[in-house]
Order: sequence, then structure tokens, then C-alpha cells
Amino acid sequence: GAGVSQSPRYKVAKRGQDVALRCDPISGHVSLFWYQQALGQGPEFLTYFQNEAQLDKSGLPSDRFFAERPEGSVSTLKIQRTQQEDSAVYLCASSLGAGGLKGPQYFGPGTRLTVL
Amino acid sequence: GQQVMQIPQYQHVQEGEDFTTYCNSSTTLSNIQWYKQRPGGHPVFLIQLVKSGEVKKQKRLTFQFGEAKKNSSLHITATQTTDVGTYFCAGRDFGNEKLTFGTGTRLTIIP
Repeated sequence: GAGVSQSPRYKVAKRGQDVALRCDPISGHVSLFWYQQALGQGPEFLTYFQNEAQLDKSGLPSDRFFAERPEGSVSTLKIQRTQQEDSAVYLCASSLGAGGLKGPQYFGPGTRLTVL
Repeated sequence: GQQVMQIPQYQHVQEGEDFTTYCNSSTTLSNIQWYKQRPGGHPVFLIQLVKSGEVKKQKRLTFQFGEAKKNSSLHITATQTTDVGTYFCAGRDFGNEKLTFGTGTRLTIIP
């Protein structure tokens, strides 16, 4: 595809529901990142994959958050037992390189999650 | 952990005036990137700075990386309505893949 795509674009969940957010990175991009962006704030790092390996998950706020990229392309961010504080835009980004100097990160349009 | 602050938080300028946003990191950075996010949009990469004291220009935009690699600035000359958006710096630590985004500066243009 031409860019990073994410689905769904909008998700409304009742508190306590589980949600799954999908990211399709740019074809051939080795690195994939997930960020959480609250209203009026900058993106905050959640987790990073190099191919299928999750190399950094230090930003995941709790054990309710889980991410995977089993075949090194599409990634899914899962949030279990959603809470109101999970309401935010979840951004996925991919970049071409792995190792050495990193280049730009290309962001998808995001999934806006609202937990009622 | 690493913190990246930006000032000002908001800037309103008349069209044609100049604009500058400043970025400061609590730690020395490997490199710094700048992104622009339009209202309702997603961050779009503008530039990456790597070397101490580096200056890069893109048309009306000038980016600087401080000598100590802890601060950076973005200057826009003669702003236009298309410059509206939030400008984020994002720093990367040595040996670390993740970017730490700054707090952002939201630019609005008065026509």
C-alpha cells in the first residue's frame, strides 16, 4: 500500500470490553511502533517491533495492553478490560530500517478509542 | 526517564510573521526528528538532525540541533496559512529505538 493503514478508524467500547486495533505498515518496513496520543498531547511510545520480535514494550501502561506482530508485517494492539483512561488515539508507525541510524517514522491515521 | 519539553505551547501569529518553537531534552540525544500534525491528522515527518550544531533548511523552515545535542529549534519565515498545525520534536536516546515526543507547539495563523 501507499502508506500505513489502521483499522478501525473509530472504536467505541463499553468499560470492561476487550478491543483489538490493527495496523498494516508500509510493505517492507522492518520496524513498527505503537503510540498513544491523548487529546492535546504528543504521542507517547507504547511498544516497538523489529520484524516479528517485540524488542521494547516499556511504554505499555499495564498488563491489559498486549501487542503482537506474528509474521513481521501486520500488527495488532489488544486492550483487555478497557477503562475510561484508555480513551485516546492509538497511532501506528513504521520505518524502513533496522539497526544503525533510523530514518523517518511514517504514521498511520490512527484509531480513536472512546471508552464509555 | 527522558523528558522532552517544547515552548511555547501555543503561538498565534499574523500571516507573514515569523515563528519559532524550541525543544529541550533532559538527556543528550542521538538524534532528533521534527514532525507536523495538522488538526485531525497524524504526525508527518519533516526532518532528522544528527550532528552537533547541525542546521538544515527546507524552503521557509530552518532546523537547528544544539551543540550539546540536548536542544533544537524550528524557525518558519513568513508564515502562511498552510503552516497551521502542531509541531513536535521527537528525540532518540543512544542505543534506543523509541522516539520521545515533545509536548508540541500549536501554531495558528491570523489571516
